[in-house]
Amino acid sequence: GDSVTQMEGPVTLSEEAFLTINCTYTATGYPSLFWYVQYPGEGLQLLLKATKADDKGSNKGFEATYRKETTSFHLEKGSVQVSDSAVYFCALLYNQGGKLIFGQGTELSVKP
Amino acid sequence: NAGVTQTPKFQVLKTGQSMTLQCAQDMNHEYMSWYRQDPGMGLRLIHYSVGAGITDQGEVPNGYNVSRSTTEDFPLRLLSAAPSQTSVYFCASRTSVGTDTQYFGPGTRLTVL
Repeated sequence: GDSVTQMEGPVTLSEEAFLTINCTYTATGYPSLFWYVQYPGEGLQLLLKATKADDKGSNKGFEATYRKETTSFHLEKGSVQVSDSAVYFCALLYNQGGKLIFGQGTELSVKP
Repeated sequence: NAGVTQTPKFQVLKTGQSMTLQCAQDMNHEYMSWYRQDPGMGLRLIHYSVGAGITDQGEVPNGYNVSRSTTEDFPLRLLSAAPSQTSVYFCASRTSVGTDTQYFGPGTRLTVL
C-alpha cells in the first residue's frame, strides 16, 4: 500500500546550521506531497506542499522538491533557528479517496 | 474564525469507561477526520467523513465510533476505553475530499488507566 518513510529522529543542530530531513514515499499514482510542522503542545500546521513532479514548495525559508524519479520530497533549510524546533511530518494525499498518509515524524531540536 | 476546535484538552479515563471527544469547525468544510498520534508511528487515520450523514473507517477504527449529523461537528466516541487507546487525538478538516490543505485542531491528550 501507499506509505511515507522519514529519517529517524531526533535531529539536533546548532543555530544557523543546514537542515535536511529525508522523506521518501511509495505510491501507485501521482499524489500531492506535504510537509506539516507540529510545535510543542500544538496541532499540525501545513508548512509547504507540492502537487506535481518537479514542483518546489517553499515557506518560512524551508524548501522541498517533488522528485518523482527518486520518489522523494526532502525538506531543507539553509540556516535553522531555535524557533524551528518542532516535529516535522511528511505526508501524501490522493485527491480521489482523500486520505492523508503521514510519515512517522522527525523531531528537530535546534540549540543556540 | 475559530478554525478547528477540540474539547477537552486533557482527559484521564479508567478502563471500561466511555467518553466522547468533541470536534467542531466553523469553516463550512465538508471533509472531517480523526487521527491518533503515537510515538514513532506518526498520525494514523481512525475515521473520516466526506459530508453530513456520511462516515467511513480509516486505518485504525476498532474501538471508536463516529457520527456526522451536522457539517460543523464530528464527535469521536470511545465506548469502552482500553489502555491501548492512550494517545493524542487530532481532529482535522478541509474544504472537500478533493482539496488538499487540511486544518488541524489542537489535540486531546487521553490517558486510559
